[in-house]
Amino acid sequence: GAVVSQHPSRVICKSGTSVKIECRSLDFQATTMFWYRQFPKQSLMLMATSNEGSKATYEQGVEKDKFLINHASLTLSTLTVTSAHPEDSSFYICRAQRGTEAFFGQGTRLTVV
Amino acid sequence: DAKTTQPPSMDCAEGRAANLPCNHSTISGNEYVYWYRQIHSQGPQYIIHGLKNNETNEMASLIITEDRKSSTLILPHATLRDTAVYYCIVRGMTTDSWGKLQFGAGTQVVVTP
Repeated sequence: GAVVSQHPSRVICKSGTSVKIECRSLDFQATTMFWYRQFPKQSLMLMATSNEGSKATYEQGVEKDKFLINHASLTLSTLTVTSAHPEDSSFYICRAQRGTEAFFGQGTRLTVV
Repeated sequence: DAKTTQPPSMDCAEGRAANLPCNHSTISGNEYVYWYRQIHSQGPQYIIHGLKNNETNEMASLIITEDRKSSTLILPHATLRDTAVYYCIVRGMTTDSWGKLQFGAGTQVVVTP
């Protein structure tokens, strides 16, 4: 079964609204989770590192005020896309590490209309 | 981390073996070769990994050259469901080495009837 669960799998929202995506590690604790974004026909691009109990660290060019990350527990990280615009439409994927094993969520297809 | 080079695309006939090459000429002695694949609109899925010996599991076989500068992932009997982007990644065997995992372009494999 899935080791990392990501929800929702797809979401459509209106411009200007916010969308929250959840990433859960189901049977292990993940002090660190990672968020990726993937545009059509492109590879996964690392957006940020989510750290339990502390602030997330963002990759260059990723707006921290737009992509809010909360890692309030050892099994849950959330990514909130605030004031979404059509250009934020993308496939968002989370990753959690269990030692040297990398587990990925199923991905969230976000469409902003 | 060692850089990997893969062909951008490959076609394979259903039922035939698919041989996916990966070049990792700068791999260091303690780094493993990992393979993941991403089926369209899903998160990446682990396939197999190895250090220097050939490995086989229920999904695939991994052949690593003696000098470890390249490897080949073999899908023994490709099915239509094997159509995906395949990523070759080199990583050390410590948790820290899995931090900011970045993906290259991978190889788009299309299995045709």
